[in-house]
Amino acid sequence: AQSVTQLDSQVPVFEEAPVELRCNYSSSVSVYLFWYVQYPNQGLQLLLKYLSGSTLVKGINGFEAEFNKSQTSFHLRKPSVHISDTAEYFCAVSGTAGGTSYGKLTFGQGTILTVHP
Amino acid sequence: GAVVSQHPSWVICKSGTSVKIECRSLDFQATTMFWYRQFPKQSLMLMATSNEGSKATYEQGVEKDKFLINHASLTLSTLTVTSAHPEDSSFYICSASPSGSRGNTQYFGPGTRLTVL
Repeated sequence: AQSVTQLDSQVPVFEEAPVELRCNYSSSVSVYLFWYVQYPNQGLQLLLKYLSGSTLVKGINGFEAEFNKSQTSFHLRKPSVHISDTAEYFCAVSGTAGGTSYGKLTFGQGTILTVHP
Repeated sequence: GAVVSQHPSWVICKSGTSVKIECRSLDFQATTMFWYRQFPKQSLMLMATSNEGSKATYEQGVEKDKFLINHASLTLSTLTVTSAHPEDSSFYICSASPSGSRGNTQYFGPGTRLTVL
């Protein structure tokens, strides 16, 4: 079984400030890690994913995340946010290929990022 | 690329009626599609995994006779909510995983908001 904890339900920041959205996971098997963004009344858009290789993953819209296996974390960062980044962000995990949880995403509770002018 | 559509985007129905929601992958083939449910201000919960040409796999606690899933082709999956009741009102989101995709990356549809009166 897997679980995902997003430590902050809401994160308010000012425009052009840096931001970090925290995500910790628990799993008894190897995992793939994802960050998705959801704008109001819309589906989810993939920001970035970690499957293997370099632990620093770069995604769209200037976001990046770092996989830390020892701390079971996958925090999302952006050095300078824009008003348009205001949305809800979801961290998710799935099992790796060959496992029973392969392809099944388990989501965190979501973090609402609000960027103020 | 990797666009997933859902139809309808919103639907209002009377209690006791059935509602069908379509999920289409527009520019890729998807052996596997997933159906999620999202309650207001909550995260997504996986309802079922739909594989083309075979029966869907439902998550624990999801009534398969109430939520009928059909995945008749590599680009179309449908979810039918049978005998809908007000407690079925929710935001239903599908996702599709391109055949052979690495890490089973999922692309999400824009969602369907169901309101049962």
